[in-house]
Formats: sequence, structure tokens, C-alpha cells
Amino acid sequence: TQLLEQSPQFLSIQEGENLTVYCNSSSVFSSLQWYRQEPGEGPVLLVTVVTGGEVKKLKRLTFQFGDARKDSSLHITAAQPGDTGLYLCAANRGANFGNEKLTFGTGTRLTIIP
Amino acid sequence: NAGVTQTPKFRVLKTGQSMTLLCAQDMNHEYMYWYRQDPGMGLRLIHYSVGEGTTAKGEVPDGYNVSRLKKQNFLLGLESAAPSQTSVYFCASNKVRNTGELFFGEGSRLTVL
Repeated sequence: TQLLEQSPQFLSIQEGENLTVYCNSSSVFSSLQWYRQEPGEGPVLLVTVVTGGEVKKLKRLTFQFGDARKDSSLHITAAQPGDTGLYLCAANRGANFGNEKLTFGTGTRLTIIP
Repeated sequence: NAGVTQTPKFRVLKTGQSMTLLCAQDMNHEYMYWYRQDPGMGLRLIHYSVGEGTTAKGEVPDGYNVSRLKKQNFLLGLESAAPSQTSVYFCASNKVRNTGELFFGEGSRLTVL
């Protein structure tokens, strides 16, 4: 059973446009992470959110954790070609669970067209 | 800074052959993990280690073995490779058990014919 659903699966937009990608689940999570993975590389952590309703900003990227801690969104403003990559969410179901219990979503593959 | 280094980066095997993937980290992390990444499946945990000399099974351990004889190294072995093991393998490490950043290697692409 896939606990984390990411949408859309693929997204291709023009440079300068805004976009939002989603990570959804029916389960409650204690924390959620967003990673970006570039071709031929491993995932790199962008942010961790732990509190329901939490919003974190990283330059043009805005991350939000749902109030019920079941979902999250990533919004990119004025997308640039350097934003191209696979965006993965990963979540842990409990603070007492180790990272071996981390669940990864299948990812959103984002392409920014110059 | 090297971080997490995986070798080899590419390998082609015939069915039934064996091989070992090496993961080395220079951050003195206690926890190390081996994942496989397949299209549409996300990252799935194969085996992990919570310290030198310890290993444990993850979500998809069948057909793989691991060893952690030294804190900085985590080896993933395939004793008899099968086409279903064609995948990209990632090693990761981190300092804290239940939170914090996972540091990933660049991946090892394995093809089993």
C-alpha cells in the first residue's frame, strides 16, 4: 500500500510561471520532509516540517504541512530552469519511529522550460 | 567534502552472478541505509544499520545481504543476481535515528541481464 501519493506525477511549465505540487496521505505523520533529486544524483533534503499548519520558505519555495498532518504542498514562485528535478516527499508516522520507517512518495518530475 | 560515496556507479551483471556495492561515509554517522529506486515505486528500504556491527531488514530485503564491519562502510551484496534486481541503488546515512536529514550517495545503476 502506497501511503504517500504525490501529484502531479509529471509537470512541465515555462520559466517564470508558478506551480504547486502535492503530497497526500490518509495517515497522520509526525514529520514530513521534501527532497529534490537531480538526474544522476541522490536526493537532497530541502526542508522538514513537523507542526500542523506549519509554513516554511526557502527563497522561492514555500512548503506547507496540512493542519491535520496528513498532507503537504510545495509552491514554487517564478520557476527557473534550476528548479528542474524530481521532488520527493517523505514522512515518518511517529516520533518514536526511526528513519527506517520513513515512507517516500513516488515523486513529481518537474521540468522548467527556458 | 566527500559525504556519502558509492562504488561502482554503473554495473551490468548476468543472471546468477554476484556482486557487492560499497557505501562509504566520512561524517561519522551511526545510521546507514540501502534503498532501491524503481520507476513509479519510490525509494524502498532494503536493509539498514544502526551502528557498527549491526544490520536489520527493511521493506524489500530478499535477495540481498549487508555487512557493516566498520562504522564508515556499509556493503550491499547480491549473491545470485536476478533481472528483478535491475534498479538504481542509493546509500544514505544520518546522525539521528528518528529525525533529521538523510544524506544520500549519487547512486549505483545496476542492470541484470
